[in-house]
Amino acid sequence: GDSVTQMEGPVTLSEEAFLTINCTYTATGYPSLFWYVQYPGEGLQLLLKATKADDKGSNKGFEATYRKETTSFHLEKGSVQVSDSAVYFCALISSGGYNKLIFGAGTRLAVHP
Amino acid sequence: ETGVTQTPRHLVMGMTNKKSLKCEQHLGHNAMYWYKQSAKKPLELMFVYSLEERVENNSVPSRFSPECPNSSHLFLHLHTLQPEDSALYLCASSHGQGASRYEQYFGPGTRLTVT
Repeated sequence: GDSVTQMEGPVTLSEEAFLTINCTYTATGYPSLFWYVQYPGEGLQLLLKATKADDKGSNKGFEATYRKETTSFHLEKGSVQVSDSAVYFCALISSGGYNKLIFGAGTRLAVHP
Repeated sequence: ETGVTQTPRHLVMGMTNKKSLKCEQHLGHNAMYWYKQSAKKPLELMFVYSLEERVENNSVPSRFSPECPNSSHLFLHLHTLQPEDSALYLCASSHGQGASRYEQYFGPGTRLTVT
């Protein structure tokens, strides 16, 4: 079945450091891919998306490129801030089920001043 | 209120209690979802409703009973739960069709503790 694998956290960085959170997927065809973010005490928020191969999703300084050859959708940010501390989830739309999102386990990011 | 709201935010219940979780969306969506978020496990989709009709039920135990009286409201009725049901329960909504149907908007969740 469809699945998403993320790097395990926590990821701990200093402010202004470069961020990469790895995400790879297994799926039938070419599903739409997403990154969601969950801040402490809140629900998930859509951060960015890509709907086809080579698409680059971007938002709030975060970017991710849909790579079908490596089945990857790694999240990057050039300079993180303390306010970016959260849990990040990679997800895809499953080919089975109604609008069914398959999530990775999540990666916790802690940014220190 | 805007977006997706959930009440209560926190709930502690005994295994013999009956309680309900409520979700309300103010986004004009016509699909709604219940997810379970447990520690160190990926989010698990529990139920999906489209136009008030259940379209997904992912092998969820019968002690969880969803209800969708209209496209803006979704309930999760709980009875005779087990301690392992303690988790964060998230509600989400989306458009049912069109290019944005895959973008789900989440509420803040209800933190449930079963004692």
